[in-house]
Amino acid sequence: EAGVTQSPTHLIKTRGQQATLRCSPISGHTSVYWYQQALGLGLQFLLWYDEGEERNRGNFPPRFSGRQFPNYSSELNVNALELEDSALYLCASSLRQGVSTNEKLFFGSGTQLSVL
Amino acid sequence: KQEVTQIPAALSVPEGENLVLNCSFTDSAIYNLQWFRQDPGKGLTSLLLIQSSQREQTSGRLNASLDKSSGRSTLYIAASQPGDSATYLCAVKESNYQLIWGAGTKLIIKP
Repeated sequence: EAGVTQSPTHLIKTRGQQATLRCSPISGHTSVYWYQQALGLGLQFLLWYDEGEERNRGNFPPRFSGRQFPNYSSELNVNALELEDSALYLCASSLRQGVSTNEKLFFGSGTQLSVL
Repeated sequence: KQEVTQIPAALSVPEGENLVLNCSFTDSAIYNLQWFRQDPGKGLTSLLLIQSSQREQTSGRLNASLDKSSGRSTLYIAASQPGDSATYLCAVKESNYQLIWGAGTKLIIKP
């Protein structure tokens, strides 16, 4: 069974451009999470989608946005890119929260975004 | 506000040694605590999940303990191997289902 897949693996953009990152969860998982991991820093929570709706949002500006599609895959969009947006962006999926509070998270390998 | 701390930030030990990684949290009202490993430039792999009602979980050479009252968890790695070299992160799940992460311990096992 396929794990969480993210594309692209690497993405190079210039300041002011837009970036779109994609994530496909494990089959049967309805919750998708996005995290930012800047070099040397811990994971920062960005967004949580479940059943097509945004359930929670981290402390990031509105230019970070996303959506979840009917097949539960997800996109993260970053508009007006800034140099400090350079980071590894990780997607994780789980079974729907609320069914159990002890659902494990499964992570993809990430998209390394470099803003020049 | 929940804060999760991992000490030490980095650890280097010779192959074969047993070792302990520490994780502390400030608010004991958690659903569970999870330990992950992350290899350089890669995603995270879930190692162990301890529910709030549990004291420990074991998987192979790994054993994780949880003491909610003192806000502490340890990850014990027995007979360490070079392949164990990675960054180990702990995270606690709060009542709003959000995970609060520690900054990780970078572990190097020297052959």
